[in-house]
Amino acid sequence: DTAVSQTPKYLVTQMGNDKSIKCEQNLGHDTMYWYKQDSKKFLKIMFSYNNKELIINETVPNRFSPKSPDKAHLNLHINSLELGDSAVYFCASSQDSGTQYFGPGTRLLVL
Amino acid sequence: EDQVTQSPEALRLQEGESSSLNCSYTVSGLRGLFWYRQDPGKGPEFLFTLYSAGEEKEKERLKATLTKKESFLHITAPKPEDSATYLCAVQTYNNNDMRFGAGTRLTVKP
Repeated sequence: DTAVSQTPKYLVTQMGNDKSIKCEQNLGHDTMYWYKQDSKKFLKIMFSYNNKELIINETVPNRFSPKSPDKAHLNLHINSLELGDSAVYFCASSQDSGTQYFGPGTRLLVL
Repeated sequence: EDQVTQSPEALRLQEGESSSLNCSYTVSGLRGLFWYRQDPGKGPEFLFTLYSAGEEKEKERLKATLTKKESFLHITAPKPEDSATYLCAVQTYNNNDMRFGAGTRLTVKP
């Protein structure tokens, strides 16, 4: 009965590869998010998305793209992975602009 | 630019030793201030939302308060299981995004 789930939990890959991280929420929320937590544990918003609007943090490289097949899913695609992309990525969801609930995170390591 | 600063960066307490964590903010049009708890290897877990100065919320040993410039998370008689990183975040009327502080890493020794 996990509210926000992510797969995979761990992802180890080579530089230059393309990878995807999946996120699903069963809370019935209409807005989903992707955050990046760096080695200093600082959480920073990457994207917020609902069925009307995608808001992109201007600092996010265009190698990152969110894809939402439906309201309960927001996947994160990363092209041409770089060493600096290594971090923990968290998905979150909320109803409108309400409290955000987070998934367990995906630990990405780029070698 | 909106800013959120948490202090101290790390805090070590003995079991039963009460203390407070601080979150100071400078934002335009505060919509809400959020406290989360994050355990190692896990996602942030929601604790409280505060919307206006003077508001207080409590849950077990935790109590969150809010002024126009800062929020405090008071921990009364902490236990080792309260050990975690506590994150503060602010949301403004400009957008839905939350801006997080760097967190306070709390360790409670038995």
